[in-house]
Amino acid sequence: KAGVTQTPRYLIKTRGQQVTLSCSPISGHRSVSWYQQTPGQGLQFLFEYFSETQRNKGNFPGRFSGRQFSNSRSEMNVSTLELGDSALYLCASTLSGNGETQYFGPGTRLLVL
Amino acid sequence: GENVEQHPSTLSVQEGDSAVIKCTYSDSASNYFPWYKQELGKRPQLIIDIRSNVGEKKDQRIAVTLNKTAKHFSLHITETQPEDSAVYFCAATSGGSYIPTFGRGTSLIVHP
Repeated sequence: KAGVTQTPRYLIKTRGQQVTLSCSPISGHRSVSWYQQTPGQGLQFLFEYFSETQRNKGNFPGRFSGRQFSNSRSEMNVSTLELGDSALYLCASTLSGNGETQYFGPGTRLLVL
Repeated sequence: GENVEQHPSTLSVQEGDSAVIKCTYSDSASNYFPWYKQELGKRPQLIIDIRSNVGEKKDQRIAVTLNKTAKHFSLHITETQPEDSAVYFCAATSGGSYIPTFGRGTSLIVHP
């Protein structure tokens, strides 16, 4: 099976802009989670989607949002970008998300200038 | 919610030595504990996991131990090699949650 894919891989934006990142899970996986990774902060959970519904949400401001489509592909959007949003954004998929192994995508590296 | 503490943040060893990374968790209902390895510029990948009904699990040079009473689990790497150099993350998943809580990571450096 093909692994988790993310597009784009690299992105440069300026403050105040918005950005949309995409994640395609492993075929058959219905749960997609998003994480922000910055040096020293590890993996910070953003949100998780299952069957097109947001099932879990982390402690991030409302500028961070997401959605999932009927084919389980997911997008996350960050509006009004801030310098501190510069990070590696990882998505991970599982079959149903219940105590299962997460399979990560390669990530999208976002740089906000 | 769950809280996972991971130590040390950096670990430097000589090739051939053993390395041990320790994690503690707060939620006694957590029942799934995966370990991920992230090499520089690459995605995190599962290297080993353990469930709460097992005390120890081994896979070649890697082993994980779990002490449910003390709420801590550890990763043991024997006969370390330079290619073991990476950041290692532990995680704990509560039975009532679909989302693992990750530790902050340990940067393992294996010197040839």
